Parts: sequence; C-alpha cells; structure tokens
Amino acid sequence: EAQVTQNPRYLITVTGKKLTVTCSQNMNHEYMSWYRQDPGLGLRQIYYSMNVEVTDKGDVPEGYKVSRKEKRNFPLILESPSPNQTSLYFCASSLFAAGGQETQYFGPGTRLLVL
Amino acid sequence: GENVEQHPSTLSVQEGDSAVIKCTYSDSASNYFPWYKQELGKGPQLIIDIRSNVGEKKDQRIAVTLNKTAKHFSLHITETQPEDSAVYFCAAKGFKGAGSYQLTFGKGTKLSVIP
Repeated sequence: EAQVTQNPRYLITVTGKKLTVTCSQNMNHEYMSWYRQDPGLGLRQIYYSMNVEVTDKGDVPEGYKVSRKEKRNFPLILESPSPNQTSLYFCASSLFAAGGQETQYFGPGTRLLVL
Repeated sequence: GENVEQHPSTLSVQEGDSAVIKCTYSDSASNYFPWYKQELGKGPQLIIDIRSNVGEKKDQRIAVTLNKTAKHFSLHITETQPEDSAVYFCAAKGFKGAGSYQLTFGKGTKLSVIP
C-alpha cells in the first residue's frame, strides 16, 4: 500500500531533550516536506527536500533540522525542544520536485507536547 | 512569498444544502490551486485541484472555480452530507529557488453538516 508513515504518533517530552520524528514513504517520491499545524494558523512548512542530500528552509525552520540521506526517509530533528514547538506535525511527499505532479500525500501526523 | 487567505474559518450547513469556501492568493505567478480535506485524527487528503489555465473544474458534488484576474478561487460542495464534515484547506503553488516550489496553505475552514 502506498503510504507515508510517521513515528512516533504521540510524544511527550521535556524542554531541551533532543528528539527525532521519523518519516518514510514507499512511493519513490522526490519531494518531501514537513509541516506543523497549530490552531488558527493552518499548515506551515518547516523544511522541504527536493531529493537526496538537497534540503531547504520553509516558512518556520527555526529550532528544527532535517536530513535526507535516503530517498524514502526524511527525519525531523529537534535538537533542543521548547514549549513553543508543541504542535501537530505532518510529513508529506510528492512525486516530482519540479512540479507537474504536485499532489502531496500526507502522513497521519505526530502530536508533540513539550513540557 | 505567497500569502493565502481563507474564509470563513467555520461553516455550518444543513444536510443537503450547499457550502462555499473562498480563498485569495497574492502571487500572480502561482499556477496550481489544490484543496485538501482533513478528517479528525488524520492527515490532509487532496480532494480536487485546478490549474491556472482552467476556470472551473467539477468532480461529482465538488467543484472549484478560479478567477485569475481577481486572484481568488472557491470550493463548492453541493448536496452536503454528514461525511463532508471536516476541515478544508486551500493552497496555492508558489515558486522557490533552484526550480522548486512551495504549497502555501490557508488557515482552514471547519465545515459542519447538520443532519
């Protein structure tokens, strides 16, 4: 089944404790992206990747890191989480980085609480 | 960068009535406008999209219209059913450097269909 998976689905952590949220897709998609969803703010892009070893900042990249060592995986790293990073996070992928097949397939989401 | 405004933020309709959600965008170079539906506890899923060379597109009970001159596009749902209750997001495709693109999302509309 074609899908985007994220782990963990729920996470409670404390300020400053490094964490990683994994994202994996099995559709051989070039383009992958991370969003955060906050009430009243919609979906905001954190980082995106056009292909292996090619990443760039979205609209709200502060406090986050990403890497793309393999085409299927795009982990989101919070080196020192803070309470303002409490949010619902979505990973998404689409076929081509240059467009033409822009449909984004979203994962199920990771709900993060930073105390 | 692109800015997408979406209205209303909440919408309640009686089952069988129509629902209309409106979005405006700022970047005249944007050329692709998808609509996503997010059900409770799930990631957003594409329901319909339209490109800038088309004024209207229809898929069963769902239609999208685009006015490039005014830079606005709308989602129309006819004969609404309780399963249409969800959060709907509009988005616009803007261009970033190195040949890539970004989808900028509106803040979302929570649609409630009352049986």
